[in-house]
Amino acid sequence: DAGVTQSPTHLIKTRGQQVTLRCSPKSGHDTVSWYQQALGQGPQFIFQYYEEEERQRGNFPDRFSGHQFPNYSSELNVNALLLGDSALYLCASTGGALYNEQFFGPGTRLTVL
Amino acid sequence: DQQVKQNSPSLSVQEGRISILNCDYTNSMFDYFLWYKKYPAEGPTFLISISSIKDKNEDGRFTVFLNKSAKHLSLHIVPSQPGDSAVYFCAASKGGGADGLTFGKGTHLIIQP
Repeated sequence: DAGVTQSPTHLIKTRGQQVTLRCSPKSGHDTVSWYQQALGQGPQFIFQYYEEEERQRGNFPDRFSGHQFPNYSSELNVNALLLGDSALYLCASTGGALYNEQFFGPGTRLTVL
Repeated sequence: DQQVKQNSPSLSVQEGRISILNCDYTNSMFDYFLWYKKYPAEGPTFLISISSIKDKNEDGRFTVFLNKSAKHLSLHIVPSQPGDSAVYFCAASKGGGADGLTFGKGTHLIIQP
């Protein structure tokens, strides 16, 4: 049973560019959340998708947007990249019997130069 | 303003002894608390959780204690093992473990042989 998978593993972009990160949830899960983890910090909640709709959102600007597909996979898009967007982006999924537990993927390391 | 605080960036404990990791929170609306463990290059892994209607939850070597009046929780690991060396994150939510989580900055636990 595959866990949460994310792609790509690493990414390097320059300021002003746009980036798309991808996430496939654990089998049987229908809810996907995205988190940003800056160096030396804990993960910060960006938003959560359920039934292809944004259900919750943290304190992030509109440059951060997302999408959930009918197969429950999800994308995180960041426009007009800033140096401060450099971080590890984590995807977490939940659903099914263990609905109170979020399973995290290994993350995508984004570097903005 | 940090709503979940882990004031010890690191903690060193001898193998076989008890490890106690502490966490404080400021938001009274939090009603569900979780501990996650993270190894380098991996996503956080769920360890144990506790609802605000309880004051203790135990799972094998791991016990979480919640003191609502003090807005404080702690994770006890007994006995500590070398594989417990990792970064431990305390997290909180307002609507169960599936909601967007607010994380602390983490405590790096080092188990000494």
